[in-house]
Amino acid sequence: AQSVTQLDSQVPVFEEAPVELRCNYSSSVSVYLFWYVQYPNQGLQLLLKYLSGSTLVKGINGFEAEFNKSQTSFHLRKPSVHISDTAEYFCAVSEGAGGTSYGKLTFGQGTILTVHP
Amino acid sequence: DTAVSQTPKYLVTQMGNDKSIKCEQNLGHDTMYWYKQDSKKFLKIMFSYNNKELIINETVPNRFSPKSPDKAHLNLHINSLELGDSAVYFCASSQEGGSKNIQYFGAGTRLSVL
Repeated sequence: AQSVTQLDSQVPVFEEAPVELRCNYSSSVSVYLFWYVQYPNQGLQLLLKYLSGSTLVKGINGFEAEFNKSQTSFHLRKPSVHISDTAEYFCAVSEGAGGTSYGKLTFGQGTILTVHP
Repeated sequence: DTAVSQTPKYLVTQMGNDKSIKCEQNLGHDTMYWYKQDSKKFLKIMFSYNNKELIINETVPNRFSPKSPDKAHLNLHINSLELGDSAVYFCASSQEGGSKNIQYFGAGTRLSVL
């Protein structure tokens, strides 16, 4: 079984500042990792995913994340945030190659990012 | 066109009633999912269907019954609604049921049980 912990429930930042949203996971098997964003009253939208290969993955809207296997982390970063980045961000994992979970995503508790002018 | 659409968007009902939420995807995907997001925004999978066949069934009360008339639709029927069923329910779909595949989410159905 997997679990995901998002270490910060809320992150307030000023516009144009850098931001890091932290995500740690636990799993006994290899994993695939995802970050989703949820804007108010909307569904979840994929920001980026790590399946294999380069541990630094780039996503939409200038976000990137780095997979660190030894620290079981997948932190999300953006060098300069905009007001429009205000949303809730969810880290998620699924079983990697050879897994039998049929695409089951396990989500973290979410981090609310609030960008202030 | 909306890729994954859910109806209704809001549902307010009394305890003990039976209600359904509909989900349709026009992406040509083979796999569909239902998730529940509770008041603390915690998202948890409930069910998954691949080509109309149930493949994931988490520990969900049997008052919840998914129905997939075809691979483009996955409806959720809830019997004898309870206060604790109040949540936002999200439908999602993916090309296949494998873990690599991106899941596309609908906008959610906010269920309030009074």
